[in-house]
Amino acid sequence: GAGVSQSPSNKVTEKGKDVELRCDPISGHTALYWYRQSLGQGLEFLIYFQGNSAPDKSGLPSDRFSAERTGGSVSTLTIQRTQQEDSAVYLCASSLGAQGYEQYFGPGTRLTVT
Amino acid sequence: SQQGEEDPQALSIQEGENATMNCSYKTSINNLQWYRQNSGRGLVHLILIRSNEREKHSGRLRVTLDTSKKSSSLLITASRAADTASYFCATYHSGNTPLVFGKGTRLSVIA
Repeated sequence: GAGVSQSPSNKVTEKGKDVELRCDPISGHTALYWYRQSLGQGLEFLIYFQGNSAPDKSGLPSDRFSAERTGGSVSTLTIQRTQQEDSAVYLCASSLGAQGYEQYFGPGTRLTVT
Repeated sequence: SQQGEEDPQALSIQEGENATMNCSYKTSINNLQWYRQNSGRGLVHLILIRSNEREKHSGRLRVTLDTSKKSSSLLITASRAADTASYFCATYHSGNTPLVFGKGTRLSVIA
């Protein structure tokens, strides 16, 4: 594809349910990032993958959050036992590499936990 | 924290005026990037300036970098209503580390 895609674009879920958010990066990009953005706020770094290296999980806010990247391409961010404070826009980005390359962002998934 | 901080948090100007946004950071960088975000969705990369560069231009955008003051500015000349968006600076420090994004400046250009 031409750009980074994310699905679903919107997700409404009940408190306590698990959700999976998907990101398809640009083909050939070795680095993939997940961010969270609450309404009117800046970007909160969650996790990033670089090639076959172990992911940097330093930004994950709790052990309810996890992410995988299969085959160095598609990534899934999973939030278990969702809470209302998890409501936010979840943004995915990819780049050619991790060393300061420009990032290409997807349109995001707006998650609402009721 | 290495996080950059944009200043001002919000800026409102008339169409045709110039808009200046500033970014400060705390530790030495390899490069600094500016991004634009419309309507709370994906960010779009605008410009990248390396630590050994002092000024860079792209169309109506002008970015300066002062590493001694650990600050950068983004100037948008002859602003248009379509420039209304949030603008973020992001810094790359070293190694295999992710970009560090600031909290953004919300720019409103009034027609």
